[in-house]
Amino acid sequence: AQSVSQHNHHVILSEAASLELGCNYSYGGTVNLFWYVQYPGQHLQLLLKYFSGDPLVKGIKGFEAEFIKSKFSFNLRKPSVQWSDTAEYFCAVTLISNFGNEKLTFGTGTRLTIIP
Amino acid sequence: DGGITQSPKYLFRKEGQNVTLSCEQNLNHDAMYWYRQDPGQGLRLIYYSQIVNDFQKGDIAEGYSVSREKKESFPLTVTSAQKNPTAFYLCASSQPGISYNSPLHFGNGTRLTVT
Repeated sequence: AQSVSQHNHHVILSEAASLELGCNYSYGGTVNLFWYVQYPGQHLQLLLKYFSGDPLVKGIKGFEAEFIKSKFSFNLRKPSVQWSDTAEYFCAVTLISNFGNEKLTFGTGTRLTIIP
Repeated sequence: DGGITQSPKYLFRKEGQNVTLSCEQNLNHDAMYWYRQDPGQGLRLIYYSQIVNDFQKGDIAEGYSVSREKKESFPLTVTSAQKNPTAFYLCASSQPGISYNSPLHFGNGTRLTVT
Protein backbone atom coordinates (compact mmCIF):
# COMPACT_ATOMS: atom_id res chain seq x y z
CA ALA A 1 0.00 0.00 0.00
CA GLN A 2 1.12 3.50 -0.68
CA SER A 3 2.44 5.52 2.22
CA VAL A 4 3.59 9.06 2.82
CA SER A 5 6.30 9.92 5.31
CA GLN A 6 6.95 13.23 6.98
CA HIS A 7 9.94 12.70 9.22
CA ASN A 8 9.88 16.10 10.92
CA HIS A 9 7.12 15.99 13.52
CA HIS A 10 7.75 19.40 15.06
CA VAL A 11 9.98 22.12 13.65
CA ILE A 12 10.79 25.32 15.54
CA LEU A 13 12.36 28.24 13.69
CA SER A 14 12.99 31.91 14.23
CA GLU A 15 11.46 34.47 11.91
CA ALA A 16 13.43 34.99 8.68
CA ALA A 17 14.96 31.51 8.86
CA SER A 18 14.74 29.24 5.85
CA LEU A 19 12.40 26.28 5.91
CA GLU A 20 12.46 22.85 4.37
CA LEU A 21 9.95 20.17 5.34
CA GLY A 22 10.53 16.68 4.06
CA CYS A 23 7.98 14.45 2.35
CA ASN A 24 8.61 11.02 0.88
CA TYR A 25 6.15 8.58 -0.63
CA SER A 26 6.36 4.90 -1.38
CA TYR A 27 4.43 4.43 -4.61
CA GLY A 28 6.47 3.89 -7.77
CA GLY A 29 3.82 4.79 -10.32
CA THR A 30 2.34 8.06 -11.46
CA VAL A 31 1.36 10.35 -8.63
CA ASN A 32 -0.12 13.73 -7.95
CA LEU A 33 1.38 15.54 -4.97
CA PHE A 34 -0.04 18.11 -2.60
CA TRP A 35 0.85 20.14 0.43
CA TYR A 36 -1.98 21.22 2.71
CA VAL A 37 -1.76 23.63 5.62
CA GLN A 38 -3.86 23.94 8.75
CA TYR A 39 -3.50 27.25 10.56
CA PRO A 40 -4.54 27.33 14.23
CA GLY A 41 -8.31 27.22 14.48
CA GLN A 42 -8.82 27.04 10.74
CA HIS A 43 -9.69 24.27 8.32
CA LEU A 44 -7.23 22.51 6.09
CA GLN A 45 -6.46 24.32 2.88
CA LEU A 46 -4.37 23.66 -0.20
CA LEU A 47 -0.90 25.21 -0.22
CA LEU A 48 0.35 23.90 -3.54
CA LYS A 49 0.11 20.94 -5.89
CA TYR A 50 2.09 19.08 -8.54
CA PHE A 51 0.54 17.15 -11.39
CA SER A 52 3.08 17.27 -14.21
CA GLY A 53 5.57 19.55 -15.94
CA ASP A 54 8.07 21.72 -14.08
CA PRO A 55 9.00 19.81 -10.92
CA LEU A 56 9.42 23.06 -9.01
CA VAL A 57 5.98 24.34 -8.12
CA LYS A 58 5.08 27.56 -6.41
CA GLY A 59 2.18 27.96 -4.04
CA ILE A 60 0.60 30.62 -1.92
CA LYS A 61 2.41 32.79 0.62
CA GLY A 62 5.87 32.29 -0.88
CA PHE A 63 5.98 28.52 -0.48
CA GLU A 64 7.42 26.21 -3.12
CA ALA A 65 8.02 22.49 -3.43
CA GLU A 66 10.27 20.39 -5.61
CA PHE A 67 9.30 16.99 -6.96
CA ILE A 68 12.31 14.70 -7.27
CA LYS A 69 11.05 11.52 -8.85
CA SER A 70 14.24 9.54 -8.31
CA LYS A 71 14.04 10.23 -4.58
CA PHE A 72 10.25 9.84 -4.29
CA SER A 73 10.27 13.20 -2.55
CA PHE A 74 8.24 16.39 -2.58
CA ASN A 75 9.87 18.70 -0.04
CA LEU A 76 8.31 22.00 0.92
CA ARG A 77 10.48 25.11 1.13
CA LYS A 78 10.29 28.77 2.00
CA PRO A 79 13.32 31.07 1.97
CA SER A 80 12.25 33.26 4.88
CA VAL A 81 9.47 32.26 7.29
CA GLN A 82 7.14 34.58 9.15
CA TRP A 83 5.37 34.21 12.46
CA SER A 84 2.11 33.78 10.55
CA ASP A 85 3.47 30.56 9.00
CA THR A 86 2.95 28.81 12.32
CA ALA A 87 0.68 25.92 11.38
CA GLU A 88 0.54 22.21 10.73
CA TYR A 89 1.63 21.09 7.28
CA PHE A 90 0.50 17.91 5.60
CA CYS A 91 1.95 16.27 2.53
CA ALA A 92 -0.49 14.18 0.48
CA VAL A 93 -0.18 11.88 -2.47
CA THR A 94 -2.66 10.45 -4.94
CA LEU A 95 -1.66 7.50 -7.00
CA ILE A 96 -2.99 7.43 -10.54
CA SER A 97 -4.38 4.03 -11.44
CA ASN A 98 -6.02 2.63 -14.53
CA PHE A 99 -9.23 2.10 -12.62
CA GLY A 100 -10.00 5.70 -11.85
CA ASN A 101 -10.46 5.07 -8.16
CA GLU A 102 -7.62 7.16 -6.85
CA LYS A 103 -7.57 8.17 -3.23
CA LEU A 104 -5.54 10.70 -1.34
CA THR A 105 -3.08 9.50 1.30
CA PHE A 106 -1.81 11.99 3.86
CA GLY A 107 1.42 12.08 5.79
CA THR A 108 1.38 12.39 9.57
CA GLY A 109 1.94 16.12 9.45
CA THR A 110 4.65 18.51 10.60
CA ARG A 111 3.91 21.13 13.21
CA LEU A 112 5.80 24.33 12.46
CA THR A 113 6.31 26.87 15.20
CA ILE A 114 7.83 30.24 14.30
CA ILE A 115 9.35 32.24 17.11
CA PRO A 116 9.09 36.02 16.64
CA ASP B 1 -20.57 31.15 -0.30
CA GLY B 2 -19.90 27.58 -1.32
CA GLY B 3 -18.39 25.25 1.20
CA ILE B 4 -18.64 22.24 3.45
CA THR B 5 -20.61 22.28 6.66
CA GLN B 6 -19.96 19.80 9.41
CA SER B 7 -22.17 19.69 12.43
CA PRO B 8 -21.98 19.74 15.32
CA LYS B 9 -18.55 21.17 16.12
CA TYR B 10 -18.34 19.21 19.37
CA LEU B 11 -20.13 15.95 20.12
CA PHE B 12 -20.19 13.90 23.29
CA ARG B 13 -21.48 10.35 23.54
CA LYS B 14 -21.41 7.51 25.98
CA GLU B 15 -19.64 4.30 25.09
CA GLY B 16 -21.86 1.80 23.33
CA GLN B 17 -23.96 4.37 21.52
CA ASN B 18 -23.91 4.91 17.78
CA VAL B 19 -23.49 8.51 16.67
CA THR B 20 -23.90 10.14 13.26
CA LEU B 21 -21.79 13.06 12.08
CA SER B 22 -23.26 15.35 9.47
CA CYS B 23 -21.49 16.63 6.37
CA GLU B 24 -23.16 18.81 3.76
CA GLN B 25 -21.59 20.51 0.76
CA ASN B 26 -22.98 23.04 -1.70
CA LEU B 27 -20.02 22.94 -4.08
CA ASN B 28 -21.73 20.49 -6.44
CA HIS B 29 -18.78 18.12 -6.00
CA ASP B 30 -19.19 14.47 -6.94
CA ALA B 31 -16.64 13.08 -4.49
CA MET B 32 -16.81 13.23 -0.71
CA TYR B 33 -14.51 11.86 1.95
CA TRP B 34 -14.27 11.25 5.66
CA TYR B 35 -10.94 11.48 7.43
CA ARG B 36 -9.99 11.00 11.01
CA GLN B 37 -7.26 13.20 12.48
CA ASP B 38 -5.32 12.03 15.52
CA PRO B 39 -2.24 13.69 17.03
CA GLY B 40 0.92 12.29 15.49
CA GLN B 41 -0.99 10.20 12.94
CA GLY B 42 -2.08 12.78 10.44
CA LEU B 43 -5.25 12.22 8.45
CA ARG B 44 -6.45 8.71 7.83
CA LEU B 45 -9.14 7.93 5.29
CA ILE B 46 -12.26 6.25 6.67
CA TYR B 47 -14.63 6.15 3.70
CA TYR B 48 -14.98 7.91 0.39
CA SER B 49 -17.63 8.25 -2.25
CA GLN B 50 -17.03 9.27 -5.83
CA ILE B 51 -20.67 9.30 -6.86
CA VAL B 52 -24.13 9.15 -5.34
CA ASN B 53 -25.20 5.72 -4.06
CA ASP B 54 -21.64 4.42 -4.16
CA PHE B 55 -18.86 4.47 -1.59
CA GLN B 56 -15.65 2.62 -0.80
CA LYS B 57 -13.80 1.76 2.37
CA GLY B 58 -10.71 3.72 3.15
CA ASP B 59 -7.80 2.62 5.30
CA ILE B 60 -9.62 2.49 8.65
CA ALA B 61 -13.27 1.71 7.85
CA GLU B 62 -13.86 -0.80 10.64
CA GLY B 63 -16.47 0.42 13.10
CA TYR B 64 -17.80 3.10 10.76
CA SER B 65 -20.59 3.26 8.20
CA VAL B 66 -21.66 5.85 5.62
CA SER B 67 -24.41 6.54 3.14
CA ARG B 68 -24.56 8.68 0.01
CA GLU B 69 -28.20 9.08 -0.90
CA LYS B 70 -27.79 12.66 -2.05
CA LYS B 71 -24.93 14.38 -3.82
CA GLU B 72 -24.63 17.08 -1.20
CA SER B 73 -24.70 14.85 1.88
CA PHE B 74 -22.32 12.19 3.21
CA PRO B 75 -23.12 11.34 6.85
CA LEU B 76 -20.74 9.19 8.87
CA THR B 77 -21.97 6.87 11.63
CA VAL B 78 -19.52 5.91 14.32
CA THR B 79 -20.78 2.61 15.64
CA SER B 80 -20.26 0.98 19.01
CA ALA B 81 -17.86 -1.41 17.24
CA GLN B 82 -15.30 1.35 16.77
CA LYS B 83 -12.77 0.65 19.51
CA ASN B 84 -11.29 4.12 19.79
CA PRO B 85 -13.87 6.60 18.51
CA THR B 86 -12.67 9.73 20.30
CA ALA B 87 -11.06 11.84 17.57
CA PHE B 88 -11.36 14.82 15.29
CA TYR B 89 -13.34 13.96 12.14
CA LEU B 90 -12.93 15.87 8.90
CA CYS B 91 -15.20 15.77 5.89
CA ALA B 92 -13.95 16.82 2.46
CA SER B 93 -15.15 17.03 -1.09
CA SER B 94 -13.63 17.35 -4.54
CA GLN B 95 -14.51 17.23 -8.17
CA PRO B 96 -12.42 14.41 -9.58
CA GLY B 97 -11.83 13.69 -13.19
CA ILE B 98 -10.19 10.80 -14.96
CA SER B 99 -6.96 11.84 -13.31
CA TYR B 100 -7.34 12.97 -9.77
CA ASN B 101 -6.24 16.55 -9.98
CA SER B 102 -8.80 18.45 -7.99
CA PRO B 103 -7.79 19.49 -4.50
CA LEU B 104 -9.90 18.64 -1.51
CA HIS B 105 -12.09 21.20 0.18
CA PHE B 106 -12.38 20.55 3.88
CA GLY B 107 -15.01 21.28 6.47
CA ASN B 108 -14.16 22.64 9.90
CA GLY B 109 -14.41 19.25 11.53
CA THR B 110 -16.31 17.60 14.37
CA ARG B 111 -14.56 16.70 17.58
CA LEU B 112 -16.15 13.55 18.99
CA THR B 113 -15.58 12.53 22.58
CA VAL B 114 -16.80 9.17 23.79
CA THR B 115 -16.75 8.41 27.49
